[in-house]
Amino acid sequence: GAGVSQSPSNKVTEKGKDVELRCDPISGHTALYWYRQSLGQGLEFLIYFQGNSAPDKSGLPSDRFSAERTGGSVSTLTIQRTQQEDSAVYLCASSRQGTDTQYFGPGTRLTVL
Amino acid sequence: QKEVEQNSGPLSVPEGAIASLNCTYSDRGSQSFFWYRQYSGKSPELIMFIYSNGDKEDGRFTAQLNKASQYVSLLIRDSQPSDSATYLCAVRPAGGANNLFFGTGTRLTVIP
Repeated sequence: GAGVSQSPSNKVTEKGKDVELRCDPISGHTALYWYRQSLGQGLEFLIYFQGNSAPDKSGLPSDRFSAERTGGSVSTLTIQRTQQEDSAVYLCASSRQGTDTQYFGPGTRLTVL
Repeated sequence: QKEVEQNSGPLSVPEGAIASLNCTYSDRGSQSFFWYRQYSGKSPELIMFIYSNGDKEDGRFTAQLNKASQYVSLLIRDSQPSDSATYLCAVRPAGGANNLFFGTGTRLTVIP
């Protein structure tokens, strides 16, 4: 079936603006993860959703970051009042319940000018 | 101390040789270990996972886990130029954590 999809693939914004990044997980996958990858850095965990449970927000770097997942499927990551240090590739991954294996989407490259 | 550490490389091997990629982790209770390959400008793709001490083989790839030494490695036999990529080690820590901790990756170049 189709893999994880993300949109937009690229986003350029001005400092101070809000952005929304979208992730559509693999059908039937109950777990959804957001990570970000800065240049030359490893993947940094941001937030995790599992079914209808409360999300694990322990990786969100500040209160400017938030995410929601509607209907247990599509997720939106919102960054308010963007800063230049928010520039990174934002990756979404999903997995089936009870498994560890995460499948990644193509990512959204965010550039904050 | 970082949760997961990898030598950033670059690691260069000639075509046909064995490439050895290494990873150490800090949480002794970690249970699940993953190797992802990431081509430049692309997203990570899973190569292998390993849960138990010892070796796990899949085609040209072998993952090795030594929990006592907190060490996991990936061997690539008969390396091909198409194996040139960054290899990310990922670990699920103990304690019910939901996320994976990733290393910064080792960049591998296979020279034709």
